[in-house]
Amino acid sequence: DQQVKQNSPSLSVQEGRISILNCDYTNSMFDYFLWYKKYPAEGPTFLISISSIKDKNEDGRFTVFLNKSAKHLSLHIVPSQPGDSAVYFCAASQTGANNLFFGTGTRLTVIP
Amino acid sequence: NAGVTQTPKFRVLKTGQSMTLLCAQDMNHEYMYWYRQDPGMGLRLIHYSVGEGTTAKGEVPDGYNVSRLKKQNFLLGLESAAPSQTSVYFCASTLTGTDDYGYTFGSGTRLTVV
Repeated sequence: DQQVKQNSPSLSVQEGRISILNCDYTNSMFDYFLWYKKYPAEGPTFLISISSIKDKNEDGRFTVFLNKSAKHLSLHIVPSQPGDSAVYFCAASQTGANNLFFGTGTRLTVIP
Repeated sequence: NAGVTQTPKFRVLKTGQSMTLLCAQDMNHEYMYWYRQDPGMGLRLIHYSVGEGTTAKGEVPDGYNVSRLKKQNFLLGLESAAPSQTSVYFCASTLTGTDDYGYTFGSGTRLTVV
């Protein structure tokens, strides 16, 4: 049973525009959420995270929004750049647990 | 470069063969993890370790064994490989279980079992 879901397998965006990647989760005990970026033939790399006590976290061009009541988070990339083309994984964890639960990933293509 | 190193990067096994995947980290991290990634699925935790000499089962532990004899190394073993174990395997580490910067992953091992 997939506890973290990314329902869009792929997304294409023009360079300079905003990319919005979505993620839903089912476990209300999750209290820490992360986004990872993965290039082909490489391992995932950490991008940005958010704790459940916040509803927004920014880091440069990347912003993560958390809506706890909807069990939904999103990653906004603005402006999008061709180098952002990668697979993005959403992940969630619960304090004290020793596991990150990952979504299936969304492949972002930024068109120059 | 500092980080997580996985060996080998690629391997083809015949059904029933055994092999060991090696993960090494030089960041003095306490926690180490083995994940597998399959098409249409997120990364799933196989086994993990919270420190030298410890191991524990994750979501999908069947068919695998692990050992953490040294803090910097985490080994994943397949005693009798099956086609269902064809996957990309990722090792990860973190200083504590709840690092603000998430896990550091290796570049993966692509295993095919024929």
